Order: sequence, then structure tokens, then C-alpha cells
Amino acid sequence: DIQMTQSPSSLSASVGDRVTITCRASQSINIYLNWYQQKPGKAPNLLIYAASTLQGGVPSRFSGSGSGTDFTLTITSLQPEDFATYYCQQSYNTPRTFGQGTKVEIK
Amino acid sequence: EVQLVESGGGLVQPGGSLRLSCAASGFTFSSYWMHWVRQVPGKGLVWVSRFNDDGSSINYADSVKGRFTISRDNAKNTVNLQMNSLRVEDTGVYYCVREGRQWLVNYYYYYMDVWGKGTTVTVSS
Repeated sequence: DIQMTQSPSSLSASVGDRVTITCRASQSINIYLNWYQQKPGKAPNLLIYAASTLQGGVPSRFSGSGSGTDFTLTITSLQPEDFATYYCQQSYNTPRTFGQGTKVEIK
Repeated sequence: EVQLVESGGGLVQPGGSLRLSCAASGFTFSSYWMHWVRQVPGKGLVWVSRFNDDGSSINYADSVKGRFTISRDNAKNTVNLQMNSLRVEDTGVYYCVREGRQWLVNYYYYYMDVWGKGTTVTVSS
């Protein structure tokens, strides 16, 4: 199985900050990498697929980059509604696997 | 509106069984792979099982293989998860998930783009 490792596990940031979350795969996954946002008590919501393609309706302050084994989710100018937990997930093969999550908290 | 609605969760003793159901609406169900994903409250997401669009391919996480059975009915737009020999570690919120795909630069790329609200399974004595 492909292991997905996110860092950091949590971070504190202020509104307006630039936030970067990294995700590393245990083997090359090309760009088969997706990012999700989850708020407490809610289901995850797809933000980015194929490493850098923004899902429809997702604000442009979210962006993704990377290929192979190393990927990044960036939020420019953090907004109050962005405080949540973010997960990466590989769709290169089955079983689909997720990172452990990164919780973005208010500083 | 594109929607997935899960049902069937509840409290069950270890060794017991539950059957989860997911009703899909608002899209051509038979064109999509469907997944079940579990989440222990406060913890991460764990993939459980997948059924491809035409019924030719089924996969399970090693932790549930031989105990869980996924099925789908494309005529009724439903996907089910029969859970037998339940263990305490099977506890969690079970999400029914649609996997979409997009053709980009000579390949299909896959992503979980529609999630249900989840149904809670508690395995406890």
C-alpha cells in the first residue's frame, strides 16, 4: 500500500497568513494526488485533484503543486472559513490511501 | 441535486452484523465507481471498499477482507456494505463516496467528489 505522510500535523495561523501543507507519498504517484478540506461534523470536501486542478467552486486562494512523491497545498491569505482539517489522498492505485490530516487552527 | 444518503448505522455488539445502504440521486449512478470510507471521530480517513462502475471489480481494505461485502444495484441507484463479524475497531462514521474522473493530458485522474453525510457504526459490548 502507498503510505501518505502529511506535515505538519497541525499549525496555528492568523487570518491573512499564507499557509503551506506538504504531503509525501511512499512511492511515485505521478500527479494522482487530491486534497480535501473537512470541517467538524461534516464530510470531507474536494478542493484539488490531479495535484493542481482546482475543483469547481473552490476559491482561487487554494492551490496545489507537485508530482512524483512530493506535493504541496497552499492557501494564500487565510480566511476565517478555512480553519479546518486538510487531507491528501492518492488515487494512483487501490487501496486509496489518505494522509493523517493537518489541522489548521486560529492563532 | 447530486446527493448520497447513507443509512443503516447503529450500535452492535462485537461479532454482530450491520448492513449499510447508500442511496444516490442526481447523477448517472452506473457511470461511477463507489467507495465506502470510515472515520473514527477525531481521527483520519480510512478507505474501506470500492465497487467499480460496471461491477467487474471489487476491492477491500485488508482489515475488512472476508468480513465485509460491498454490493451495488444500478437499477435502484444504491450501494450497500454488509458488515459481519464486527470488531470494536470497526467503529466510526461510514461515508458513501462517489469517485469522479477527469481526462487530463492522456490519462484519467480520479477523485472523491461527492460524499454523503455519513452513518455512525458503534461496535461495543
